[in-house]
Amino acid sequence: QITLKESGPTLVKPTQTLTLTCTFSGFSLNSGGVGVAWIRQPPGKALEWLTLTFWDDEKRYSPFLKSRLTITKDTSKNQVVLTMTNMDPVDTATYFCVRRLRFASTYYFDSWGQGTLVTVSS
Amino acid sequence: DIQLTQFPSFLSASVGDRVTITCRASQAISSSLAWYQQTPGTAPKLLIYAASTLQSGVPSRFSGSGSGTDFTLTISSLQPDDFATYYCHQPYSYPLTFGGGTKVEIK
Repeated sequence: QITLKESGPTLVKPTQTLTLTCTFSGFSLNSGGVGVAWIRQPPGKALEWLTLTFWDDEKRYSPFLKSRLTITKDTSKNQVVLTMTNMDPVDTATYFCVRRLRFASTYYFDSWGQGTLVTVSS
Repeated sequence: DIQLTQFPSFLSASVGDRVTITCRASQAISSSLAWYQQTPGTAPKLLIYAASTLQSGVPSRFSGSGSGTDFTLTISSLQPDDFATYYCHQPYSYPLTFGGGTKVEIK
């Protein structure tokens, strides 16, 4: 069974750095073709892809947020960590940790964590 | 960047209705498109990938079609569990993008 779970603060102050941890089970980030991404969703709004790390340590970032994001993985702990600097109230959102897997020659997001709501407020 | 435009953004329908949602990409993305279903307070669920392939466990009343820039998601006979918001997504190129969503509500 594939599970992913996000953990971290629910409230951060403006200008602070957010650190979220995704702990997953049922698959390995050492396996070829596997990736883990962070996707967020502001309340009542659409999904936004943030960043992605692959089994081979390739990393990709949204160009709109690249300067503020860092993604790292610890395959021994089955964890992926998102760091986002200089948080602003517009960053208030539910943050999802998601597995990306190869289907039919292309990669798709197939398994999602439950999400964690992060509020940015002083 | 590839923009995905979904329409309608809101749809009111009854149980048993046939429903079609459209997703248009700002440039050709072959068949690299997925559809997700999201109910309030839950994570999105993968319904269809590669434009028309049903994910394992998804009811056959869902179907997808299209390639290039125009794609559709069809629900052949709307069920109570299907009232949700649907998103399209393109994994064709970075940055990865999602459509704005289509909310399907009970008439």
